[in-house]
Amino acid sequence: EVQLVESGGGLVQPGRSLRLSCAASGFTFDDYAMHWVRQAPGKGLEWVSGISWNSGSIGYADSVKGRFTISRDNAKNSLYLQMNSLRAEDTALYYCAKDDDFDYWGQGTLVTVSS
Amino acid sequence: QSALTQPASVSGSPGQSITISCTGTSSDVGGYNYVSWYQQHPGKAPKLMIYDVSNRPSGVSNRFSGSKSGNTASLTISGLQAEDEADYYCSSYTSSSTLERVFGGGTKLTVL
Repeated sequence: EVQLVESGGGLVQPGRSLRLSCAASGFTFDDYAMHWVRQAPGKGLEWVSGISWNSGSIGYADSVKGRFTISRDNAKNSLYLQMNSLRAEDTALYYCAKDDDFDYWGQGTLVTVSS
Repeated sequence: QSALTQPASVSGSPGQSITISCTGTSSDVGGYNYVSWYQQHPGKAPKLMIYDVSNRPSGVSNRFSGSKSGNTASLTISGLQAEDEADYYCSSYTSSSTLERVFGGGTKLTVL
């Protein structure tokens, strides 16, 4: 059974940093691209970042480019999102999603940016 | 990276069919056969319902179907059931990179 479990969210002040993790199981992690998608409270889905199976290709939404860094550790079946210079508008539930079709999603980890 | 355009809401009665549109540009929806649709119930993670415009993942009811014409993709749900009431989102590849994606703003489906 495919499982994606996000962690690392919490309350953080504007301008500070946070690192999210996504632990994957139930599939061959290094066969697939992985993505981060976020959802602000009461709002729609927003693609944040994606990374290819071997980290050779990486993409970011314009809204986070230069502030967020996606990475993965295939030996640990884990996906990460380093978030720096956080802003109030980054407040959202952050999901990790498997493969280019987002065929499986975790339950999300909530990031709240507030002073 | 402009969001794809979806109607904010649609509604239908049990047993009826509804269609949700998703309009983009030639740089996303119109340029690739890589449109997906997701269902999200309140407080739950999204669920993949359609991928590559018209393919259903295993386990998804055949009441759900997808299509595309030009820059507009569509999700049709036939034989509406109460449990279909949810938010629906479309997503597409974009020309910016092989990894970049764009979502629609979402459509709230109400089953009357």
